[in-house]
Amino acid sequence: DAEITQSPRHKITETGRQVTLACHQTWNHNNMFWYRQDLGHGLRLIHYSYGVHDTNKGEVSDGYSVSRSNTEDLPLTLESAASSQTSVYFCASSRRRTGIGETQYFGPGTRLLVL
Amino acid sequence: GENVEQHPSTLSVQEGDSAVIKCTYSDSASNYFPWYKQELGKRPQLIIDIRSNVGEKKDQRIAVTLNKTAKHFSLHITETQPEDSAVYFCAASIVTGANSKLTFGKGITLSVRP
Repeated sequence: DAEITQSPRHKITETGRQVTLACHQTWNHNNMFWYRQDLGHGLRLIHYSYGVHDTNKGEVSDGYSVSRSNTEDLPLTLESAASSQTSVYFCASSRRRTGIGETQYFGPGTRLLVL
Repeated sequence: GENVEQHPSTLSVQEGDSAVIKCTYSDSASNYFPWYKQELGKRPQLIIDIRSNVGEKKDQRIAVTLNKTAKHFSLHITETQPEDSAVYFCAASIVTGANSKLTFGKGITLSVRP
């Protein structure tokens, strides 16, 4: 069955290290998104992509980067991890349909702890 | 940009009662409004959505209503059950051509008392 996966599911790292979180979907969705979820803040958009080689900044993009080299993957990189980036990270994807809002399907999430 | 607010932040109801969760949005150009349910430790999952050309949509015990003039939309759950206990997120999106991204509210924790 088609799905969206994230890896690792749990990660502990140290301040200043570079960390990459993987997101892979097999639905052939054009749109992919990265969110962070923190208590009291809901889901906040970090970066998103509407297709291969397309990337865009969301509302909380500082300290994060993404690249889209194929349809299936959108890895999220923390350039130099900070304690403020301790969070639960969700990847999501959706189809691309002109003029119609499309359901975003979420991955299982990655819990990241920065010490 | 779009701003979505949810009120209240927590809601407790007795099993069998109805629950209503309200959201407001700021951008009148928003035209797609999904609701997501997130159980503890799980991923958010879509439960119902509505587009701006429709005023109400129902799916069994849940319904969503949209008031474009007032820029608010609401989730209605009837005959609540303990398994309805979860965090519920509303979101709004401006769909432009083939591109759309969601702005989420901060979520509301619904507790259904047995």
